[in-house]
Amino acid sequence: EAQVTQNPRYLITVTGKKLTVTCSQNMNHEYMSWYRQDPGLGLRQIYYSMNVEVTDKGDVPEGYKVSRKEKRNFPLILESPSPNQTSLYFCASRPGQGAPGANVLTFGAGSRLTVL
Amino acid sequence: AQSVTQLDSQVPVFEEAPVELRCNYSSSVSVYLFWYVQYPNQGLQLLLKYLSGSTLVKGINGFEAEFNKSQTSFHLRKPSVHISDTAEYFCAVSPFSTSGTYKYIFGTGTRLKVLA
Repeated sequence: EAQVTQNPRYLITVTGKKLTVTCSQNMNHEYMSWYRQDPGLGLRQIYYSMNVEVTDKGDVPEGYKVSRKEKRNFPLILESPSPNQTSLYFCASRPGQGAPGANVLTFGAGSRLTVL
Repeated sequence: AQSVTQLDSQVPVFEEAPVELRCNYSSSVSVYLFWYVQYPNQGLQLLLKYLSGSTLVKGINGFEAEFNKSQTSFHLRKPSVHISDTAEYFCAVSPFSTSGTYKYIFGTGTRLKVLA
């Protein structure tokens, strides 16, 4: 089944304790992206990656890091989490430009993170 | 810069009644337009998209949307809703460039509550 898989789905952590949220897609998509969803703010883009080793900042990148060493994986790293990073996080992917289904994002099920 | 406005944060409607969810956007460049739906505890799924061509776009589950360039709107409609349509709906735009689309700007979402 074509899908985007995120782990963990739920996590409670404490301020300053480094954590990584993994994202993996099995569709050979070139583009991957991370979003956070907060009440009243909708989804905001954190980082995106056009391809392996190519990443760029979205609208709210502060406090986050990403890497794209392999095409299928795009982990989101919180080096020193703070309470304002408590949120629902979504990973998404899409095919490369010109490919069938380009422009349409496929989302993971979400990761709910609480930072105490 | 682009922005998306969904003025209605919540829309209650009785089953089998028609519904319209409003979306207005602002952009200095051409954009692609999308509606996504989020069912409880799930990721977002594509309802429909406008890339070019006919301004009336039909999507899944009986939804349709009309692109109005002069009013910069992309309102979502359904002539008769079901209980199962209860979900949160997000409008999104993606500015087009020759290098392809890479930023997706989402609205704040509209919670559709279908009442029996």
